[in-house]
Amino acid sequence: DTGVSQNPRHKITKRGQNVTFRCDPISEHNRLYWYRQTLGQGPEFLTYFQNEAQLEKSRLLSDRFSAERPKGSFSTLEIQRTEQGDSAMYLCASSLRVGASEQFFGPGTRLTVL
Amino acid sequence: AQSVTQPDIHITVSEGASLELRCNYSYGATPYLFWYVQSPGQGLQLLLKYFSGDTLVQGIKGFEAEFKRSQSSFNLRKPSVHWSDAAEYFCAVGAQGNAGGTSYGKLTFGQGTILTVHP
Repeated sequence: DTGVSQNPRHKITKRGQNVTFRCDPISEHNRLYWYRQTLGQGPEFLTYFQNEAQLEKSRLLSDRFSAERPKGSFSTLEIQRTEQGDSAMYLCASSLRVGASEQFFGPGTRLTVL
Repeated sequence: AQSVTQPDIHITVSEGASLELRCNYSYGATPYLFWYVQSPGQGLQLLLKYFSGDTLVQGIKGFEAEFKRSQSSFNLRKPSVHWSDAAEYFCAVGAQGNAGGTSYGKLTFGQGTILTVHP
């Protein structure tokens, strides 16, 4: 399977704990995106990378959130000191072409903060 | 800033009936436009896209969409709905470049339209 993969698929944590999610994009895709989707809403952009460079972060991404793509391949999204409001589906997407923004999405990681 | 409005939160149709899901966008230049479908607990699957050229675009699963610049719309249509089409549908707009301060490649999604299909 050469699609975008995300791990874990589900994560339940207690408020105040740190969590980390991983995204493996489609091989050779140089762009990688993170989105957050809450119930009843469309996905909202969080951040994106071109190769290993993080080019933009949304204002939704508070200082408790950090994302990395150290070698330009997989990416991790870490949330520190989780809050109940962080409960959401975290989606990763990747794209190949620099000019066009057709993105291929992974299945997402559903985070529940108790 | 770019934005997308999907006026219908929930639509119910009978199997075999035609379908039109509405999408209006706001963007300062010619946008990239997309329709994605999401089944419960799943990621997003691309149905079709518009980058340029012919304003009527064909997608997978028998869907099509028409870009109307004058109306800032990109409505999704299907002539005959199947029960397996029941899902949530999202319209999205993407920047063609760093125009208007928007991010190059970032997608902005609408709120989504939930489609229920009655047998």
